[in-house]
Amino acid sequence: DAKTTQPPSMDCAEGRAANLPCNHSTISGNEYVYWYRQIHSQGPQYIIHGLKNNETNEMASLIITEDRKSSTLILPHATLRDTAVYYCIVRPLTGGGNKLTFGTGTQLKVEL
Amino acid sequence: GAGVSQSPSNKVTEKGKDVELRCDPISGHTALYWYRQSLGQGLEFLIYFQGNSAPDKSGLPSDRFSAERTGGSVSTLTIQRTQQEDSAVYLCASRSTSGTVYGYTFGSGTRLTVV
Repeated sequence: DAKTTQPPSMDCAEGRAANLPCNHSTISGNEYVYWYRQIHSQGPQYIIHGLKNNETNEMASLIITEDRKSSTLILPHATLRDTAVYYCIVRPLTGGGNKLTFGTGTQLKVEL
Repeated sequence: GAGVSQSPSNKVTEKGKDVELRCDPISGHTALYWYRQSLGQGLEFLIYFQGNSAPDKSGLPSDRFSAERTGGSVSTLTIQRTQQEDSAVYLCASRSTSGTVYGYTFGSGTRLTVV
């Protein structure tokens, strides 16, 4: 799987948009960008994934640059419950089906 | 069930004893994974099951660790002769490799403490 780079931590005020960046400059053409988050004492939770087009679901939006070397996860109106470690992962959609490799992620702290 | 279920949620054991951790994946999910997470650390892959294929055991840290998946559903992770460094949260995840659902669903984990 391609390597990803994320800032170790970020702060965000409640109600504001949280923009979490991820660099994946060695991403291959068949690799998707996945985002997961892990709230304290829980297992990781899938958020969203995309290939090259921007994606949006009920949890977040994913913006992928045209060259696909970086992406941004956007939580449009962050709440205290969004405080978690956010992981950016790149891997093929299919093929092998093997392990997700989690890096160290970004610790997002949402504050009043 | 609606999610991945793991039991027990907490386990305290004495050094040298064997432990078994259980995972009930989402019904119909053919892929099952075990990870562990030590305090303040990232997730470490342990083993992966896919249908009737031979499991990918490449992440098991030693021969004290083993896992099986019976009937393509429930999985147990066994740690023999536990050591203090085995203390961690053990997470199970399942995934449907058919249709359009590709996200992994994780359980809440088993917190293992070896004293």
